[in-house]
Amino acid sequence: EPEVTQTPSHQVTQMGQEVILRCVPISNHLYFYWYRQILGQKVEFLVSFYNNEISEKSEIFDDQFSVERPDGSNFTLKIRSTKLEDSAMYFCASSGTGIPPHFGNGTRLTVT
Amino acid sequence: KNEVEQSPQNLTAQEGEFITINCSYSVGISALHWLQQHPGGGIVSLFMLSSGKKKHGRLIATINIQEKHSSLHITASHPRDSAVYICAFEKTSYDKVIFGPGTSLSVIP
Repeated sequence: EPEVTQTPSHQVTQMGQEVILRCVPISNHLYFYWYRQILGQKVEFLVSFYNNEISEKSEIFDDQFSVERPDGSNFTLKIRSTKLEDSAMYFCASSGTGIPPHFGNGTRLTVT
Repeated sequence: KNEVEQSPQNLTAQEGEFITINCSYSVGISALHWLQQHPGGGIVSLFMLSSGKKKHGRLIATINIQEKHSSLHITASHPRDSAVYICAFEKTSYDKVIFGPGTSLSVIP
């Protein structure tokens, strides 16, 4: 079965550094999402992306965050200047017509 | 106010027991999801429901749209079923998924 692939699985970065989290959605899916889960808390929506633009974003998704689909296959989440509170598991998901969302295995981001 | 609630929060069962996890939500939805999250963190979709009942192996999911309630049942539970089970929904098709707090299940041999 096709999978959503996320890299890296674990990223450690220093506060203030930029990070890029990468995702390869399932190839015929049209809708893409980023979610995050702070340790011990529930999964929260960050942003959705359709037709090469953001379709919705949450309050969490401030100016420090950006998303891109640079080459038609990858889907990236960039955090410009990381803060300690950005430490979380970040999940990418994709869905298609009549197809439930498929989630990647996540990237665990640790900001020190 | 949480839009989706689950009970119980934590559950310990003996191997072989029948398990039920409940989910209630407060808004109109287009689809309800049951998801599984293992300790490693990855999320696996178990069911997507908009009405009625679905069965996959030892897992059964039901939904009552009028009562805004869904249940996940596991028959003949096994230690490998130990995970966090999450109820989640979409308000409209292809909308973001709104996650519940999860139920942590531990099945002991």
